[in-house]
Amino acid sequence: AQTVTQSQPEMSVQEAETVTLSCTYDTSESNYYLFWYKQPPSRQMILVIRQEAYKQQNATENRFSVNFQKAAKSFSLKISDSQLGDTAMYFCAFMKAYSNSGYALNFGKGTSLLVTP
Amino acid sequence: EAQVTQNPRYLITVTGKKLTVTCSQNMNHEYMSWYRQDPGLGLRQIYYSMNVEVTDKGDVPEGYKVSRKEKRNFPLILESPSPNQTSLYFCASRPTAWVRYGYTFGSGTRLTVV
Repeated sequence: AQTVTQSQPEMSVQEAETVTLSCTYDTSESNYYLFWYKQPPSRQMILVIRQEAYKQQNATENRFSVNFQKAAKSFSLKISDSQLGDTAMYFCAFMKAYSNSGYALNFGKGTSLLVTP
Repeated sequence: EAQVTQNPRYLITVTGKKLTVTCSQNMNHEYMSWYRQDPGLGLRQIYYSMNVEVTDKGDVPEGYKVSRKEKRNFPLILESPSPNQTSLYFCASRPTAWVRYGYTFGSGTRLTVV
């Protein structure tokens, strides 16, 4: 079974500081895709960043970057210069394949991030 | 604007009364999917569709039906809702060939079954 574990249910950070959200996953596949989604209080699911497992270079999107450690099956999200608008639930997700060519995003349980002034 | 539109945003219903949650996307995506979100469980896939008239079960399909008669629409049907189907539901879509782009999600439907 492919599982995604987010070990930090809640975190807080002060504005302008840096915070890292942890995610580990379990899979026997060699090629796969990993994502971080943000869910603000509006409950919209917003794609923050994605990583393809065959790429060694860590993905970066503005203030968001990942530390992808394939051997350790770790995919942490770093938010630099935190802003109040970053307050949200963050979900790590793994794109898993069904046997019939279908796919599903397998989500972790989420980390609630609070950015304080 | 490229988007996935779900309706209604909120719905309260009684046990056993059939309901349909609509989903429509304007991005010409082949792949569409329904997820439910429950506290402490994250999001779990209910059903998905790889194209018109092609649907299949996800991880938690019991109590749900779907249909895909048109490429843009993928309604979720609860023929006899029960309280354990109280949840936040998301419709999502993506181009089939581009797995690495993940999904575009709708704004969610908060369903309460009493």
